[in-house]
Amino acid sequence: NAGVTQTPKFRVLKTGQSMTLLCAQDMNHEYMYWYRQDPGMGLRLIHYSVGEGTTAKGEVPDGYNVSRLKKQNFLLGLESAAPSQTSVYFCASSQQDIWEKLFFGSGTQLSVL
Amino acid sequence: QQQVKQSPQSLIVQKGGISIINCAYENTAFDYFPWYQQFPGKGPALLIAIRPDVSEKKEGRFTISFNKSAKQFSLHIMDSQPGDSATYFCAASTTAGTYKYIFGTGTRLKVLA
Repeated sequence: NAGVTQTPKFRVLKTGQSMTLLCAQDMNHEYMYWYRQDPGMGLRLIHYSVGEGTTAKGEVPDGYNVSRLKKQNFLLGLESAAPSQTSVYFCASSQQDIWEKLFFGSGTQLSVL
Repeated sequence: QQQVKQSPQSLIVQKGGISIINCAYENTAFDYFPWYQQFPGKGPALLIAIRPDVSEKKEGRFTISFNKSAKQFSLHIMDSQPGDSATYFCAASTTAGTYKYIFGTGTRLKVLA
């Protein structure tokens, strides 16, 4: 089992460029999440999904969009990247009935210049 | 009311010593309190968790102490080892109402050999 896989692992963007981060899970989990991790600020929820075709805003959704077209995939998009979006991004998933335990991917280091 | 306050920000402990990390919360609807461990370059992984119906949970060298009246919980690492050097996040979540899963800001632990 691969668990939660994130691609790419590293990316450098210029201000204003767009990109999509891909998260894939092979555990048949209903819930999927995107977090960003910044020094001294812990993990903050960007968007989440409670099932295929559904998405919802988290704590810091501005500047990001998401899609959950397939149950196993959760995409995070940056339409016009800003330096404030320089961060490490983590995808996570959880089972619907034991949703408290989160399974995390290994992260994407994004730098916006 | 949504915050989970974690302290200290960093901690240095001698091998064999006890590491203690504290968290405090405000929202009384929180009903699940996990701790996540994160090694450099990796995603966080669930270490141990507690529900508010018990005051303590122990798994090997790791113990969570929970004080419901004070709205505080802490992680104790007994006989700390260099391999425990990592960043630790407390979190709090609730099954009531809108999805909420809030992380603390993290504690970077270094155990000296």
